Amino acid sequence: SYVLTQPPSVSVAPGQTARITCGGNNIGSKSVHWYQQKPGQAPVLVVYDDSDRPSGIPERFSGSNSGNTATLTISRVEAGDEADYYCQVWDSSSDHPNVFGTGTKVTVL
Amino acid sequence: EVQLVETGGGLIQPGGSLRLSCAASGFTVSSNYMSWVRQAPGKGLEWVSVIYSGGSTYYADSVKGRFTISRDNSKNTLYLQMNSLRAEDTAVYYCARGRLGGYIDYWGQGTLVTVSS
Repeated sequence: SYVLTQPPSVSVAPGQTARITCGGNNIGSKSVHWYQQKPGQAPVLVVYDDSDRPSGIPERFSGSNSGNTATLTISRVEAGDEADYYCQVWDSSSDHPNVFGTGTKVTVL
Repeated sequence: EVQLVETGGGLIQPGGSLRLSCAASGFTVSSNYMSWVRQAPGKGLEWVSVIYSGGSTYYADSVKGRFTISRDNSKNTLYLQMNSLRAEDTAVYYCARGRLGGYIDYWGQGTLVTVSS
């Protein structure tokens, strides 16, 4: 089945830029979605269809996808961005349509 | 306002059965694809099952043959029947609404299932 690989952790100072990668075979041909999850809470969608933001999500969150790597970029990082982040792809033609990445813990220094 | 409220979690012995419910409001369950996603303690998200608007269902290999997803259109409620439970099924189970393109735009608050003797 399809595998999505993320770095276990990313550390970033406040005001700097965090980049979280999501690796998968030819992932650039798929739509990638990103979720933020804070401790004890359900995940929240922050980017969908590679680079679109749901209403209410700051412009600081952006996404890109090409080749074998998708990237979630958080600009001007704030303390409140500290959370786990997961990428996800969906293949409606598969009998295992939903795949989540391994998750990345973002720590704000 | 869209809301998803899961119930039915709890402590269950290995080999036992449990049925989770997810009551939806603000939209029609049968018109959307609905998923169950779980998260073991300290672990990442794991997709469990999906039911499409047309009624087709799919399962992760880890639960296939043991879990059954269904919905009651009259109650606008999603279910997950879990049989032959194992310790490794211990997790918070989330009910989720999927959108065209595959992303999940609404999640329930989750219900904890603990499988232990």
